[in-house]
Amino acid sequence: EIVMTQTPLSLSVTPGQPASVSCKSSQSLLHSDGRTYLYWYLQRPGQSPQLLIYEASNRFSGVPDRFSGSGSGTDFTLKISRVEAEDVGVYYCLQTKQLPKAFGQGTRLEIK
Amino acid sequence: EVQLVESGGGLVKPGGSLRLSCAASGFTFDNYRMNWVRQAPGKGLEWVSSISSSSRHIFYADSVRGRFTISRDNAKNSLYLQLNSLRAEDTAMYYCASENLLSTVDYWGQGTLVTVSS
Repeated sequence: EIVMTQTPLSLSVTPGQPASVSCKSSQSLLHSDGRTYLYWYLQRPGQSPQLLIYEASNRFSGVPDRFSGSGSGTDFTLKISRVEAEDVGVYYCLQTKQLPKAFGQGTRLEIK
Repeated sequence: EVQLVESGGGLVKPGGSLRLSCAASGFTFDNYRMNWVRQAPGKGLEWVSSISSSSRHIFYADSVRGRFTISRDNAKNSLYLQLNSLRAEDTAMYYCASENLLSTVDYWGQGTLVTVSS
């Protein structure tokens, strides 16, 4: 089974500054169909998760362009170019290339 | 607008049973694979189960296989999770989540809380 490892587990960022979260998978998430099955979600306090990035680098509908995803194979990064107060919450990566689907441990972002 | 509304959670004793439901609207339900994901209090997300659009393909996490049963009724735009032989470690918020034709888990409900305690 694929294990997802996120770093750091927590971040404290000044508004307007950038932030970055890393996600590493124990196996390549590149499928033979050419797609990479890596996703990023934000769970705001008291809310359900919401999709930010699909297939490693594609912003989901309505997601601000300050969010970007990059990476390939086993190493992936979520970047926020300029953090805003509404970005507070826990960020999760998810792999769906192979069952069981697996989430990273989560990275908590707080505002300084 | 896509809406997923879970119900059926509650307090149950160890060894007991519950049936969770998820009512879907705003999308063509019978085109979508569906998932259950849970989150223990203060913990991260854990995938529980998936069911294909036709119910032909069903999968479970090892932690629930043999105790939980996923099902769907496309005529009612509804997803279900039967929870049997419940344990304290099954205490969690249970979310239903849709998965589109490109295998993206895109929309989530607000969750229903299951508490297993004597």
